[in-house]
Amino acid sequence: QKEVEQDPGPLSVPEGAIVSLNCTYSNSAFQYFMWYRQYSRKGPELLMYTYSSGNKEDGRFTAQVDKSSKYISLFIRDSQPSDSATYLCAMSGSNFGNEKLTFGTGTRLTIIP
Amino acid sequence: DTAVSQTPKYLVTQMGNDKSIKCEQNLGHDTMYWYKQDSKKFLKIMFSYNNKELIINETVPNRFSPKSPDKAHLNLHINSLELGDSAVYFCASSHGSGDAGEQYFGPGTRLTVT
Repeated sequence: QKEVEQDPGPLSVPEGAIVSLNCTYSNSAFQYFMWYRQYSRKGPELLMYTYSSGNKEDGRFTAQVDKSSKYISLFIRDSQPSDSATYLCAMSGSNFGNEKLTFGTGTRLTIIP
Repeated sequence: DTAVSQTPKYLVTQMGNDKSIKCEQNLGHDTMYWYKQDSKKFLKIMFSYNNKELIINETVPNRFSPKSPDKAHLNLHINSLELGDSAVYFCASSHGSGDAGEQYFGPGTRLTVT
């Protein structure tokens, strides 16, 4: 069993829909949770960075962490064609450089105009 | 001005050859990383350096040797290339202390071994 599980998709939704992307994990030591977005043939870029349980909102994006269920989510409201990308969740036990990030396999998302 | 740059962008070579990938960051970060992304998009850490010192060394074959001449550069040398080394290799950087999750990735080097 992988430490971080993420549905690879692909996921296709119409423009304007609310998108829900999820990851589950098994390591209870994880405290920091990230979502990265990766466009085709580009490097990942950080979208959201959260600590412990709770919600964090940034524009159309909301990250949710439920440590009791070992479950994290990323919601995208009013989805746009420019949101079409692969979304990778990542997590670590600390925010120091000597601790590695463990990534999910990524969910490929397509927003249909 | 590119924050994290890698060269070359594409690398096609034959089995058994030796090749290098270079990475440079101009963000003033202390920590740099090498990741390997396979054909299924799975991103896995290989190495991490903090101020030229190796701090993460995952289970990677000895054929892979990172070198950090200064904290702005991290190069990856691969000896005796094998078919299974075909992947996209990403360099990344972060402040390292207190912000290690906020990593900035380069554009990637697509390595194809034939």
